Amino acid sequence: EIVLTQSPGTLSLSPGERATLSCRASQRVSSSYLAWYQQKPGQAPRLLIYGASSRATGIPDRFSGSGSGTDFTLTISRLEPEDFAVYYCQQYDSSPPFTFGPGTKVDIK
Amino acid sequence: ELQLVQSGAEVKKPGESLRISCKGSGYSFASYWITWVRQVPGKGLEWMGRIDPSDSYTNYSPSFEGHVTISADKAISTAYLQWTGLKASDTAIYYCARWARATGIDFWGQGTLVTVSS
Repeated sequence: EIVLTQSPGTLSLSPGERATLSCRASQRVSSSYLAWYQQKPGQAPRLLIYGASSRATGIPDRFSGSGSGTDFTLTISRLEPEDFAVYYCQQYDSSPPFTFGPGTKVDIK
Repeated sequence: ELQLVQSGAEVKKPGESLRISCKGSGYSFASYWITWVRQVPGKGLEWMGRIDPSDSYTNYSPSFEGHVTISADKAISTAYLQWTGLKASDTAIYYCARWARATGIDFWGQGTLVTVSS
């Protein structure tokens, strides 16, 4: 089973700042089968990025994903008020279980 | 419009059985896997398992295998998550979601809150 670690646990930033979130896998995630999700309180998660770097439909271009192998990054170039939320990475490599990371909370400084 | 509509909140006692549902519409239900994800209130997301509605092939996380059963009826575009002996530790929100190899989980149901308490 692939274990995902996310850092930092909490990121305190101001609107307009850049956010950099890290996701590290315990073993190589082949073919960059790595996704990022955003979850706001009381809501279901929403897909932001799939395939490590492809934005999902309707996702603003201030969200970008990068990385390969065991190290992946989600970058929010300029935080908007609606971006303060919890972000999860998930790997969906060749065989289940398709584990999630523990999440990074981005809150307002 | 793409929708995954889950059944309503449930309150059960330990040891009881439960089946919750997830009905898909607005797409070809049998063409996408359905995944179930658990979220204990205030905690993170846990991948429980998935089902291919076209043939009901399933995969489970070792953490959940043997405690839950995932099934589907493609004729009515509905997937199910079932317990035969609930525990207090099963108290959580359960999400169904549509999964494809190309895109990961691209659409989520609204979640079903299951509360298990004596």
